[in-house]
Amino acid sequence: EVQLVQSGAEVKKPGESLKISCKGSGYTFTDNWIAWVRQMPGKGLEWMGTIYPGDSDTRYSPSFQGQVTISADRSTTTAYLHWSSLKASDTAMYFCARSEYALNGDFDYWGQGTQVTVSS
Amino acid sequence: QSVLTQPPSASGTPGQRVTISCSGSNSNIGNNYVYWFQQVPGTAPQLLIYKDNQRPSGVPDRFSGSRSGTSASLAISGLRSEDEGDYYCASSDDSLRGVVFGGGTQLTVL
Repeated sequence: EVQLVQSGAEVKKPGESLKISCKGSGYTFTDNWIAWVRQMPGKGLEWMGTIYPGDSDTRYSPSFQGQVTISADRSTTTAYLHWSSLKASDTAMYFCARSEYALNGDFDYWGQGTQVTVSS
Repeated sequence: QSVLTQPPSASGTPGQRVTISCSGSNSNIGNNYVYWFQQVPGTAPQLLIYKDNQRPSGVPDRFSGSRSGTSASLAISGLRSEDEGDYYCASSDDSLRGVVFGGGTQLTVL
């Protein structure tokens, strides 16, 4: 059974760093892309970027380029989303999702979401 | 403001058929597949329709999708109370070089 299991909720202060995770299982981790999707409170879905764990090829949305870093560890079948300096506006639910193609939007499995709250 | 345009809300009574539209441009829907997701509040989105009109296993045939020109639509027939939730369309955008979503449509079953 394909599963994406994300790390737990985080509460951070502005300026702090954070890395959240998404562990894949039940399939060959290096054969699919893993994307990150943001959902701000009461708002819709926004694609942030995606990574192919097979060769670490990474693509970012222009809106998020330079704001976050996406990475993956093949040995632990885990993808990551990292902020070096959080802002209050980063408060949102973050989902990881698996896809066959980099930029199609064919997200067939999703993680349960990680709530990130940034507040002083 | 989302690249793909959806109506913010839709509604219907049990048993009815409702459709949700998704409007884009030649750089996205006009040239790429459309995907539809259902999100029940408080849960992760789920894939409902892929490649315009294909249903993943487990998705009832009450759900159907279509694409024409720069628009797409999702139809739900035999509406049921458990269909309530938010529905999102998505596609690839060649100009933005990424995935774009619609703003979402909140479906209410009256």
